[in-house]
Amino acid sequence: EAQVTQNPRYLITVTGKKLTVTCSQNMNHEYMSWYRQDPGLGLRQIYYSMNVEVTDKGDVPEGYKVSRKEKRNFPLILESPSPNQTSLYFCASSLGQGMTDTQYFGPGTRLTVL
Amino acid sequence: TQLLEQSPQFLSIQEGENLTVYCNSSSVFSSLQWYRQEPGEGPVLLVTVVTGGEVKKLKRLTFQFGDARKDSSLHITAAQPGDTGLYLCAGVRRDTGNQFYFGTGTSLTVIP
Repeated sequence: EAQVTQNPRYLITVTGKKLTVTCSQNMNHEYMSWYRQDPGLGLRQIYYSMNVEVTDKGDVPEGYKVSRKEKRNFPLILESPSPNQTSLYFCASSLGQGMTDTQYFGPGTRLTVL
Repeated sequence: TQLLEQSPQFLSIQEGENLTVYCNSSSVFSSLQWYRQEPGEGPVLLVTVVTGGEVKKLKRLTFQFGDARKDSSLHITAAQPGDTGLYLCAGVRRDTGNQFYFGTGTSLTVIP
């Protein structure tokens, strides 16, 4: 089954404790991205990757890191989480970044930083 | 300020009514997409509009891309409870081709 998987689905942590949210897709997609979703703000792109070893900042990259060592995986790293990073996070992938490409989303990771 | 502003933010209507959701920007977009998101899930693509003035229909849903490619609308005819969800517009800006922008979202509730 074609899908985007994220882990964990729920995470409660404390300020400053490094964490990684994993994302994997099995559709051989080139484009992957991370979003955060906050009430009234829709989804905001954090980072995106056009292909292996190619990453770029989205709208809200501060406090986040990503890497793309393999085509299928695109982990999101919070080196020192803070309470303002409490949010719902989505990973997405698409065949390319053409203007008609469909983005396929993972199920989301709800992160709470205390 | 979000690049794509949607209105209204919340909408609660009776089954059978019609409604329109708007997605507006001051920027020109190469394309605009509409997604629907249900609680606990990621957004799912409904449609992509590419040409200025384009109109696409998906059963009871009609999508329009503005002539100037800065806005779009979603019209639902005879809404049903199954239409309940969060509707999001999204697009690729013409001058920053690799970055994806989402709208602020419209939460629709259709009451039986």
